[in-house]
Amino acid sequence: AQSVTQPDIHITVSEGASLELRCNYSYGATPYLFWYVQSPGQGLQLLLKYFSGDTLVQGIKGFEAEFKRSQSSFNLRKPSVHWSDAAEYFCAVGDNTDKLIFGTGTRLQVFP
Amino acid sequence: GAVVSQHPSRVICKSGTSVKIECRSLDFQATTMFWYRQFPKQSLMLMATSNEGSKATYEQGVEKDKFLINHASLTLSTLTVTSAHPEDSSFYICSARRTGGLNGGYGYTFGSGTRLTVV
Repeated sequence: AQSVTQPDIHITVSEGASLELRCNYSYGATPYLFWYVQSPGQGLQLLLKYFSGDTLVQGIKGFEAEFKRSQSSFNLRKPSVHWSDAAEYFCAVGDNTDKLIFGTGTRLQVFP
Repeated sequence: GAVVSQHPSRVICKSGTSVKIECRSLDFQATTMFWYRQFPKQSLMLMATSNEGSKATYEQGVEKDKFLINHASLTLSTLTVTSAHPEDSSFYICSARRTGGLNGGYGYTFGSGTRLTVV
């Protein structure tokens, strides 16, 4: 069965600093990979997704993620973090059964 | 485009009563909808997959009789928490999958969630 690991529960960065959120997955075939962001008490907003093709995926709000099959990773990056990026970030993997399996999430805190 | 409306956003109910949560896809048809439960500061746990016109598929450990799911149309799925108890208090989120989608791939849109408090 597929699974997703987000090793970092909580990350704190200064505004303007670069950011990398880690995501590792376990799945036998080529996975469908997603990053979502959730503000407190809200639903999830899709940042980006990977199905196939170029392994570097560009998303909204200046985020990007790179699929590395050899490392079973799909890390999320942003070159310069804004205070409004403070939120909970979830990595998810999907398969051909339509289900999305979510990681445990990483809470991002941004200091001015 | 691709908006999912979830109502209510917050609900407080007495123990023993039932609560219905609606999930509507406003501008697309969703043959498949998903219901998740999220505990404070935790991840989303898939409860069930709702397919239009057929019975929902529940994940292991989810009580079918407590969490009734109905997907009567391509734009509406409902989750009814029956005989609610305080331990059912949680944040419930629905998700709708768009048919077709970009390049034939997945298109999931999430509702804004429902905070259920059972007192």
